Amino acid sequence: DGGITQSPKYLFRKEGQNVTLSCEQNLNHDAMYWYRQDPGQGLRLIYYSQIVNDFQKGDIAEGYSVSREKKESFPLTVTSAQKNPTAFYLCAASSGGAHLYTDTQYFGPGTRLTVL
Amino acid sequence: GNSVTQMEGPVTLSEEAFLTINCTYTATGYPSLFWYVQYPGEGLQLLLKATKADDKGSNKGFEATYRKETTSFHLEKGSVQVSDSAVYFCALRTGAGSYQLTFGKGTKLSVIP
Repeated sequence: DGGITQSPKYLFRKEGQNVTLSCEQNLNHDAMYWYRQDPGQGLRLIYYSQIVNDFQKGDIAEGYSVSREKKESFPLTVTSAQKNPTAFYLCAASSGGAHLYTDTQYFGPGTRLTVL
Repeated sequence: GNSVTQMEGPVTLSEEAFLTINCTYTATGYPSLFWYVQYPGEGLQLLLKATKADDKGSNKGFEATYRKETTSFHLEKGSVQVSDSAVYFCALRTGAGSYQLTFGKGTKLSVIP
C-alpha cells in the first residue's frame, strides 16, 4: 500500500517549545515538500527537498527547519521562533527528475498543530 | 511572479446541478496546471491536470481545459453529487527549474440533496 504518512494527526504544543512533524513516503520519490495551510488560504510552501541531504527554503521558511537524511523521510521542526505556528501542515512527494514541472505531487493526510 | 486566482466561495449547489469553478493564472513561460480536491480533515488529492495549451484534463466526471489565450483552467462537472462536497484548489507549476506548486486560495463546494 504505497503512499505518504504523516504523524501525528493532531499535535498540541505549548508556547516556546519546539515540535517535530513526521513525514514518511514509500513511493520511492526523489522530491519532498512541506506546505502550511491556514483557514481560507491556499497552501504555502515552507521547504522542499529534491534529493537526499539537500533542501531549499520555500516562501515561508522562517521559524522552521528540516532534514533529509533518508529518501523516504522528511521531518519538519516547528521552532519557538515561529510566531504563529497554529495551522494544518501538509507533506507531499513527487518523482521529480527530468519531468519536474509536469509530475504530480502526492499529499499526505496532514497534521493539525495547535499552540496552547 | 506566478499567481492563481480562483472564484470566491463558498458555492452551494443542488444535487445534479452544473458546476463551474473559475481559475485564472499569471505565470512566466508555459505552466502545467492542476486541480486538487480536499475533503474535510484530509490532505489534497490530485483531481486532474493539463501540461500544455488546449489539453483537457478529466477525472470522475470533472473536466478542465488549458486555455492559453485566456490564461484560464476552469473546472466543470455536468451533474454534481453530495459526495463532491469539498474544497477545490487550482494550482500551477512552471518549468523554470523549481518544483514549487503555486496554489489558489481554494473554493469550498457544498452540494445539498
